[in-house]
Amino acid sequence: DTAVSQTPKYLVTQMGNDKSIKCEQNLGHDTMYWYKQDSKKFLKIMFSYNNKELIINETVPNRFSPKSPDKAHLNLHINSLELGDSAVYFCASSPRQSRYATNEKLFFGSGTQLSVL
Amino acid sequence: SQQGEEDPQALSIQEGENATMNCSYKTSINNLQWYRQNSGRGLVHLILIRSNEREKHSGRLRVTLDTSKKSSSLLITASRAADTASYFCATDNAGKSTFGDGTTLTVKP
Repeated sequence: DTAVSQTPKYLVTQMGNDKSIKCEQNLGHDTMYWYKQDSKKFLKIMFSYNNKELIINETVPNRFSPKSPDKAHLNLHINSLELGDSAVYFCASSPRQSRYATNEKLFFGSGTQLSVL
Repeated sequence: SQQGEEDPQALSIQEGENATMNCSYKTSINNLQWYRQNSGRGLVHLILIRSNEREKHSGRLRVTLDTSKKSSSLLITASRAADTASYFCATDNAGKSTFGDGTTLTVKP
């Protein structure tokens, strides 16, 4: 009954490959996020969706493409992986109901550690 | 640099002691949240303080907010070995949560 689950937990791949990370939340939340955490534990927001609509799109290479088939799922596809993409990627959700609402609490998945060789 | 900057970067104390970590931010905020991250896990929400509040308590946690100085502090009293983790502040501005750099707390038994 995990609230925010993401798969896989570990992903080891070669440079140039394409990979996807999946995320699902069973909390009934309207808003979902992708965050990237680097080796120094610095967390940076990448994308946010509210009810399948993209509402935050930070300066992220267009090799990264999020997809939200429904409000419970937010997947992240990465093309042409580079060494610098190695990091831990976290999915999160919040009950925030509209793109203009305040965030009060994020619920995080356990992360996907991506290693690009 | 980051919206939230935390200080110290690392803190090591003995069990039973109090731990204080600080967060500074740059822009106006709706609220400020503190999260804990255990090694290899996701972040877990601890406590939220709104911009019109000055202090908040939850169990052994005490959070203060000074909007004039754009800073917040998290105090953990009577620390336990299980409190060993990284702690992050996050500020909300227009629905976007931005995280600080984190403080790594080690509590020695």
